[in-house]
Amino acid sequence: DGGITQSPKYLFRKEGQNVTLSCEQNLNHDAMYWYRQDPGQGLRLIYYSQIVNDFQKGDIAEGYSVSREKKESFPLTVTSAQKNPTAFYLCASSGGTRLQEQFFGPGTRLTVL
Amino acid sequence: SQQGEEDPQALSIQEGENATMNCSYKTSINNLQWYRQNSGRGLVHLILIRSNEREKHSGRLRVTLDTSKKSSSLLITASRAADTASYFCAKTFSSGSARQLTFGSGTQLTVLP
Repeated sequence: DGGITQSPKYLFRKEGQNVTLSCEQNLNHDAMYWYRQDPGQGLRLIYYSQIVNDFQKGDIAEGYSVSREKKESFPLTVTSAQKNPTAFYLCASSGGTRLQEQFFGPGTRLTVL
Repeated sequence: SQQGEEDPQALSIQEGENATMNCSYKTSINNLQWYRQNSGRGLVHLILIRSNEREKHSGRLRVTLDTSKKSSSLLITASRAADTASYFCAKTFSSGSARQLTFGSGTQLTVLP
């Protein structure tokens, strides 16, 4: 089955620690995205990548970092510089014949204690 | 802000009734998409309407776009309890990246059995 996976589903970290969220897709999509969602809110774009080894900041990139070494993978690191990291993080990808449509993973809920 | 608004924020209806959600925006768009999110899950793409289209249908879904009013509506006919979810509109702006989506804050739909 083609799809996009995120792991873990739930993640707990102590304040001041960096944490890396995984996102993998086997849809052969060129573009990948990371969003943050706070309770009762819409999605805000953190970073996106349109091609391997290239990525762009979104609206709320401060305190986050990404890499895109492989087409299938787009990990997100939440650094200690992110002041309020507790949130629901969603990864998405797009490509193929339906370029505009984004396919989402199931999300990772990060709680910083 | 380019985001605009979605209304209502929350909508509660009886099974079998129709549900209408609205989305407004402030600057020119290339297209507008509607996504659905079940609680604690990723988003699922529902329908895309381009700026030169006025109406699209998909099953029980009907989307309209009025570029003169900078607004779109999503109509779900003959609603079912399984339609209970949050619904988001996402815009691709003419001035931005072709693949970058800007999400609204969503409408929480509850369909009562």
